[in-house]
Amino acid sequence: DAKTTQPTSMDCAEGRAANLPCNHSTISGNEYVYWYRQIHSQGPQYIIHGLKNNETNEMASLIITEDRKSSTLILPHATLRDTAVYYCIVRPENQGGKLIFGQGTELSVKP
Amino acid sequence: SAVISQKPSRDICQRGTSLTIQCQVDSQVTMMFWYRQQPGQSLTLIATANQGSEATYESGFVIDKFPISRPNLTFSTLTVSNMSPEDSSIYLCSVGSRGTTDTQYFGPGTRLTVL
Repeated sequence: DAKTTQPTSMDCAEGRAANLPCNHSTISGNEYVYWYRQIHSQGPQYIIHGLKNNETNEMASLIITEDRKSSTLILPHATLRDTAVYYCIVRPENQGGKLIFGQGTELSVKP
Repeated sequence: SAVISQKPSRDICQRGTSLTIQCQVDSQVTMMFWYRQQPGQSLTLIATANQGSEATYESGFVIDKFPISRPNLTFSTLTVSNMSPEDSSIYLCSVGSRGTTDTQYFGPGTRLTVL
């Protein structure tokens, strides 16, 4: 599986956009980029995933570079409840495959 | 998304004993997984629970220590055997289906403390 690199921690002001970067320079052509987050003492929560096109849902937007070697998760208006560890994971789709978690980015949203 | 429950939510156990954790899903799912999250660490996959056959274990995890059952498409158990303090972790189950999105959903976790 391709590996990902994320900053260990980031801060964001409440109400501002949070932009979380992820490098996946060895990603293969059939591997998707998934984002999960884990709020303290809870199970991980699925956020979004994409292959090569940018994606948006009610939670976030995912911007994937044209060469697919990096991506950015955008929380458009961060709230205090978005404080969590955010994990960027790459894996092939439709293989029922396991998720390999890295250390993620600890996002702190501050008032 | 699937609704997943785990029992117990937390437990404190004595060294040398065993604990069985249950994972129940509100709908039939193809895939079920068990993860461990040690204090301050990320999640590590223990095994894939296969319905009707033996679980598939990841490197570093063995059936004698972590026996898994999956009697049907909505239920699985993980047993942590002969526990030591190093087994103190959060244990999480997750589920997925071989659909177009193939997204995994996680249970709330079981917080285990071994004294």
